[in-house]
Amino acid sequence: DAGVIQSPRHEVTEMGQEVTLRCKPISGHNSLFWYRQTMMRGLELLIYFNNNVPIDDSGMPEDRFSAKMPNASFSTLKIQPSEPRDSAVYFCASSLWGQTQYFGPGTRLLVL
Amino acid sequence: TQLLEQSPQFLSIQEGENLTVYCNSSSVFSSLQWYRQEPGEGPVLLVTVVTGGEVKKLKRLTFQFGDARKDSSLHITAAQPGDTGLYLCAGESRRLIFGQGTELSVKP
Repeated sequence: DAGVIQSPRHEVTEMGQEVTLRCKPISGHNSLFWYRQTMMRGLELLIYFNNNVPIDDSGMPEDRFSAKMPNASFSTLKIQPSEPRDSAVYFCASSLWGQTQYFGPGTRLLVL
Repeated sequence: TQLLEQSPQFLSIQEGENLTVYCNSSSVFSSLQWYRQEPGEGPVLLVTVVTGGEVKKLKRLTFQFGDARKDSSLHITAAQPGDTGLYLCAGESRRLIFGQGTELSVKP
């Protein structure tokens, strides 16, 4: 079975541009998580969904960040406008009823 | 704010040595998880400990959850180069709180 799929794997953009990260969770999983990993702050939960509904978005840094889950097999994390301090690796993870989380390979974002 | 502190942050050892990584908090967690992350990949769950004082073994890895469910340790016996990676602990309350990680390098 395919694991969590994220795209793109790498993104380089300029400050002020819109960035959209995509995630396809494991089929059948009903919980989806977006994390950000940096050297300074480690791995931080940004937002998570249960059954496509956002449950906790308290980790979203600011209004420039938004996440959607239009259906059970797709989620996006959007940054608009992007800033250099948003440079990080963004992970998506999915689980079944909040049990073991399976992480995707991540999207490495560099904002110049 | 719940925090998990891991120590050491970096560890470089020779193949065959033993090591222990610590994960400490002032908060109580309902469970604690250990993950291993390799470069360019996401974290992979190694183990979950739930009961205070619980000890779990996974081949050469031994995981212990503190009696008060505030701390945990990971002990690796006879480390191998394949053990190289970032080890993360994560405490669960309403959400997973991750420690900063321990970067382990095992040299042949």
